[in-house]
Amino acid sequence: GQNIDQPTEMTATEGAIVQINCTYQTSGFNGLFWYQQHAGEAPTFLSYNVLDGLEEKGRFSSFLSRSKGYSYLLLKELQMKDSASYLCAVVDSNYQLIWGAGTKLIIKP
Amino acid sequence: IAGITQAPTSQILAAGRRMTLRCTQDMRHNAMYWYRQDLGLGLRLIHYSNTAGTTGKGEVPDGYSVSRANTDDFPLTLASAVPSQTSVYFCASSDSPSGEGGEQFFGPGTRLTVL
Repeated sequence: GQNIDQPTEMTATEGAIVQINCTYQTSGFNGLFWYQQHAGEAPTFLSYNVLDGLEEKGRFSSFLSRSKGYSYLLLKELQMKDSASYLCAVVDSNYQLIWGAGTKLIIKP
Repeated sequence: IAGITQAPTSQILAAGRRMTLRCTQDMRHNAMYWYRQDLGLGLRLIHYSNTAGTTGKGEVPDGYSVSRANTDDFPLTLASAVPSQTSVYFCASSDSPSGEGGEQFFGPGTRLTVL
């Protein structure tokens, strides 16, 4: 079966750094996405990784290790508006997105 | 305003009734998708369309049907609603396939309750 694992919930402090992990076991791999979803809203795109390594985009970075079936999203200089769910999704061998259940990130002042 | 819209925003429906959720995009994207999102579960793909005139089944297609008569519209129909179809439904579109790094743009969602 196909499986994407993320922590259910994490808490961090405003101004700090947090790393959200995602491990996957899928039939094939054709890329990994991270999306942000605020409560009651639609998901919005954050990043896409298809090769191993770190992709940096402002305060957000995403890392991929295909050999380990592992990715993380790194959020720096946390702001209250970063309180949201973060969704990891893998493109499988059929080029369909398989989604994790998401990690709810709570930012405290 | 460019984007993707869904209607209705929310709906309460009696079991056994037929219901069509509407989705329209004005970005001229080829691919469109319907997902359901349930608490504690990831987004699950119901149906998709890679281009106008074609559709395909996703992970959870039973009880749902779609059509893609043109590029802009992708309605989702529940022929006879059941309580297990209570969920938040998201429509999405993308210019290029996910396997090519195609970002999906999501509509605001429809919250459906089947009683």
